[in-house]
Amino acid sequence: NAGVTQTPKFRILKIGQSMTLQCAQDMNHNYMYWYRQDPGMGLKLIYYSVGAGITDKGEVPNGYNVSRSTTEDFPLRLELAAPSQTSVYFCASETSGGFSSNEQFFGPGTRLTVL
Amino acid sequence: AQTVTQSQPEMSVQEAETVTLSCTYDTSESDYYLFWYKQPPSRQMILVIRQEAYKQQNATENRFSVNFQKAAKSFSLKISDSQLGDAAMYFCAYGRTGGGADGLTFGKGTHLIIQP
Repeated sequence: NAGVTQTPKFRILKIGQSMTLQCAQDMNHNYMYWYRQDPGMGLKLIYYSVGAGITDKGEVPNGYNVSRSTTEDFPLRLELAAPSQTSVYFCASETSGGFSSNEQFFGPGTRLTVL
Repeated sequence: AQTVTQSQPEMSVQEAETVTLSCTYDTSESDYYLFWYKQPPSRQMILVIRQEAYKQQNATENRFSVNFQKAAKSFSLKISDSQLGDAAMYFCAYGRTGGGADGLTFGKGTHLIIQP
């Protein structure tokens, strides 16, 4: 299993540009998450999904959109990039149901800089 | 809303010694999970140890153990026989039971330095 994969690893955007951060998992997990990590801070939840076709906002959703058309993929879309979106973005997945222990498996992260 | 507080921005320990990282949290739930994640310079988030709130016994994973005090809402991580490879950021995290559909809540992290 590849686990959770993210692309790209690094990206520089200009203010106002848009991009999509890709995330995929091959563990058949229903729950998937997007977090951002600002310098010197812990991770904050942007969006999450409990299954294909179902998404919901986390703590810091402004400026982002997500979709979940399949169990495997959970892309994060940035529209009109702003310097405040400079951060490291992590995708994570988790199994669900009565045996879940909340253990989340993280991707390697995408470092995004908006200039 | 749940909050997680790590009051030590940085800790330093001599190789082979023991160090304890502190974490406190606030919740109105009675059942939940607590985690310690390690983040080395590679940025990868690595699960170190997990504690279920309904279990009174403290979790242990090799050189890593926790001191879970539910009434005090405290969850510290003890690293014994510190090794150079333990140098990293350590994050304490809280998750609700039942699948954690609204994600984990993280503290700001503690930077652990290992002195050779």
